[in-house]
Amino acid sequence: KQEVTQIPAALSVPEGENLVLNCSFTDSAIYNLQWFRQDPGKGLTSLLLIQSSQREQTSGRLNASLDKSSGRSTLYIAASQPGDSATYLCAVSSSNTGKLIFGQGTTLQVKP
Amino acid sequence: EAGVAQSPRYKIIEKRQSVAFWCNPISGHATLYWYQQILGQGPKLLIQFQNNGVVDDSQLPKDRFSAERLKGVDSTLKIQPAKLEDSAVYLCASSLRGLAGNNEQFFGPGTRLTVL
Repeated sequence: KQEVTQIPAALSVPEGENLVLNCSFTDSAIYNLQWFRQDPGKGLTSLLLIQSSQREQTSGRLNASLDKSSGRSTLYIAASQPGDSATYLCAVSSSNTGKLIFGQGTTLQVKP
Repeated sequence: EAGVAQSPRYKIIEKRQSVAFWCNPISGHATLYWYQQILGQGPKLLIQFQNNGVVDDSQLPKDRFSAERLKGVDSTLKIQPAKLEDSAVYLCASSLRGLAGNNEQFFGPGTRLTVL
C-alpha cells in the first residue's frame, strides 16, 4: 500500500531565503508525482508534474526533483516571498487508473 | 479556459440530515474525481469516474455516500445521513484522460461541510 509522507509539517522562513520541502513515498513503482499548492479555504493549484522517467521539472522559482529508487522528491523554492505562504502537498500516482495518493502537506510561512 | 466549478462553497447541516454537492469539470475532461480532505490532512480519493462509469470507489462509504455522473459531464456527491466525522472539504478534480502517466489533475475550490 502506497504511503506518502511530507516533512516538515510546518516551516517558517524569512523572505528571500531558498528552501526545500521534502516528500517520501513507500512504493517506488509510480507513474508520476505532482506538487500542489493550497491556500487557506481554497482548492489545490497544480505546480509541477514529474513523470516517472524524469528527474526534475522547473517552473519559474520552483524546481522539483524525483528519485524513484529512494522514494523521494523535493520541491525547491528560490528566493522565497511572502506570497509563497501556503500549504504544499505532494501526491503520487501508482495506479493505472491515475489515482493520486497525497501526503499531509507542509505549511509554509514566509515572513517579510 | 474555465476551471472546475463546485457548489455550494459552504454548507452547515445537522447530523443525520442529507446534503448534496455539485461539480462541473473542465470541458472535455473525461475523468472526474471526488476527494475528501479532513482538516490537517491530505485529500483522500472517494470516487473516480471515467466518462460516466465508476473506475474506483473503494474508499467511498457506500452505506451513506453516493455519487453519479449520468451524462459523463457534471457530477453530484450525496451524503445521507451525515455524521459528525463527515465534516471536511469535498474537492472535485478532473483530468483529460486519467490514464497512468497522463492524469494531471485540476481541482475546484471545494465545498466546506460542517456537520453539527
